[in-house]
Amino acid sequence: EPEVTQTPSHQVTQMGQEVILRCVPISNHLYFYWYRQILGQKVEFLVSFYNNEISEKSEIFDDQFSVERPDGSNFTLKIRSTKLEDSAMYFCASNLGGLGDSPLHFGNGTRLTVT
Amino acid sequence: AQTVTQSQPEMSVQEAETVTLSCTYDTSESDYYLFWYKQPPSRQMILVIRQEAYKQQNATENRFSVNFQKAAKSFSLKISDSQLGDAAMYFCAYRSPQGGSEKLVFGKGTKLTVNP
Repeated sequence: EPEVTQTPSHQVTQMGQEVILRCVPISNHLYFYWYRQILGQKVEFLVSFYNNEISEKSEIFDDQFSVERPDGSNFTLKIRSTKLEDSAMYFCASNLGGLGDSPLHFGNGTRLTVT
Repeated sequence: AQTVTQSQPEMSVQEAETVTLSCTYDTSESDYYLFWYKQPPSRQMILVIRQEAYKQQNATENRFSVNFQKAAKSFSLKISDSQLGDAAMYFCAYRSPQGGSEKLVFGKGTKLTVNP
């Protein structure tokens, strides 16, 4: 069964540095997402991406964050200047889209540690 | 804004027994979707079951079933004949009918332990 893959599984970076998290969504999916989970907290929606543009974003997704689909397969999340509070698990997900009848497929996540 | 509450941070069950995980939500919308996701130690979030609010019949997937009480805004998950592989974090999630993307609102999760 096709899977969403994320790399790296763990990323350590220093505060103020830029970091790029990478994802390869399922090939025939049309919508791509980033969610994050701060340790011990709930999973939170960051952004959805469709047709090469952001379709929805949360309040968390400020100017420090950006997403890109640089080619036909990769979907990236960039944090421009990391802060300690950006430490979290970041999950990429994809689906076909539609009104709730296309379930999300999640990757295994990237654990980001900002020191 | 919608909120999802899971009041049980941890639950445990004996293998082969039945356990029910609670979830309540708050919304002013009349039509929406509800989900239960499982997160095993491998970290991947896996869809367990989904329910459309306009359907009165409770969703069922093999050993997993829900008790959807729309008026009470309650959406509990029942796991029958619990297996060791069911041990995981379980997240309840809400999706508004607005918009085309799967913007989910999650609860804080319930950690389920299955004892042999």
